[in-house]
Amino acid sequence: DVKVTQSSRYLVKRTGEKVFLECVQDMDHENMFWYRQDPGLGLRLIYFSYDVKMKEKGDIPEGYSVSREKKERFSLILESASTNQTSMYLCASRVHSGGRAEAFFGQGTRLTVV
Amino acid sequence: SQQGEEDPQALSIQEGENATMNCSYKTSINNLQWYRQNSGRGLVHLILIRSNEREKHSGRLRVTLDTSKKSSSLLITASRAADTASYFCATENTGNQFYFGTGTSLTVIP
Repeated sequence: DVKVTQSSRYLVKRTGEKVFLECVQDMDHENMFWYRQDPGLGLRLIYFSYDVKMKEKGDIPEGYSVSREKKERFSLILESASTNQTSMYLCASRVHSGGRAEAFFGQGTRLTVV
Repeated sequence: SQQGEEDPQALSIQEGENATMNCSYKTSINNLQWYRQNSGRGLVHLILIRSNEREKHSGRLRVTLDTSKKSSSLLITASRAADTASYFCATENTGNQFYFGTGTSLTVIP
């Protein structure tokens, strides 16, 4: 079974802190994604990586950066956390192409910025 | 934004009834997928339909796709209480990016 693991289920950080959210997948997937989920807004794409050291902005990249130094790990960085970044963060991975293009999700990290 | 929209936002039905939810999207797509999310958890893939397909079945699930209208529907037949969850459509565009809709919250009353 594909496993996507996010480092924390719950996280509380202070305004202005630098926050790292880690995501690791064990199936050698090329593509990895970070989304945030807020009530009534669904999942919004923050960043996407299609290979090591490659990244593309999604719909809402402001206030975030990402790092993909190794294929299995995709990190989301909040340079200076703000209260409006309080949200559920979901990481996903999938193969790059071919017939099986489904995404596999981690369990989510609920981040609260106080 | 390339995010899609789902309709209705919330749906409540009796066990045994059918549930239909709709998805509209904005760009050209390679495929469209439906996912399910139980409360507070990650999403789980349900079914994928390619852009050159019009209908697909998997168990109690039936998905249709109309690329001319940029819309899709998910039908769950003979619903069960365990189907209670949020359902999201996701579109893969030609740049391999994955965009999700706003979701439909389904409640199946026993």
